Amino acid sequence: ETGVTQTPRHLVMGMTNKKSLKCEQHLGHNAMYWYKQSAKKPLELMFVYNFKEQTENNSVPSRFSPECPNSSHLFLHLHTLQPEDSALYLCASSDRGGTLTDTQYFGPGTRLTVL
Amino acid sequence: EDQVTQSPEALRLQEGESSSLNCSYTVSGLRGLFWYRQDPGKGPEFLFTLYSAGEEKEKERLKATLTKKESFLHITAPKPEDSATYLCAVPFSSGSARQLTFGSGTQLTVLP
Repeated sequence: ETGVTQTPRHLVMGMTNKKSLKCEQHLGHNAMYWYKQSAKKPLELMFVYNFKEQTENNSVPSRFSPECPNSSHLFLHLHTLQPEDSALYLCASSDRGGTLTDTQYFGPGTRLTVL
Repeated sequence: EDQVTQSPEALRLQEGESSSLNCSYTVSGLRGLFWYRQDPGKGPEFLFTLYSAGEEKEKERLKATLTKKESFLHITAPKPEDSATYLCAVPFSSGSARQLTFGSGTQLTVLP
């Protein structure tokens, strides 16, 4: 595997389900990000982890719960979601999370549909 | 308020018809501008980073330029495989908030 990988690529869940999204980066980076991309809207930053520590939480509802066990893996735990949470969820990584000028490399995304 | 605006929202070109996409920003103290390409249902793919006004970078049929208020992505003699959404992003820092601010993108369609 190379770059940033995400699983699953597609997910359909009911509002009462609990599911998790997984992201893994193979670039040796120290920072990882979760973004949400809704139709016709710009990418929205959700969370930033730098050296496994959360450094940004962009006012994300508590039904989204991130976890970063190490610098290579990032999870997004989902529970009691709403239909408006349906979107493409993108993971990204960069060399140094505290430096915004570092290039972020994105995974292919997970297309989430909440019924 | 720091903002990133891209225009046009959509652009249709004939193969070989050169054009430019615009990204304007109102960030104080620009510390870089990023261009990405995104194909449908996929994650953004990094293209260029520009750090200072006057800087230019090229890759195949793409050339990115930067001024103090905007950036252009010039596409020379495009091919159908250049069809994608092109995103620009600018680092934004205010108080404790630090993030890349993305524009809404330009959806480019190149017709054969």
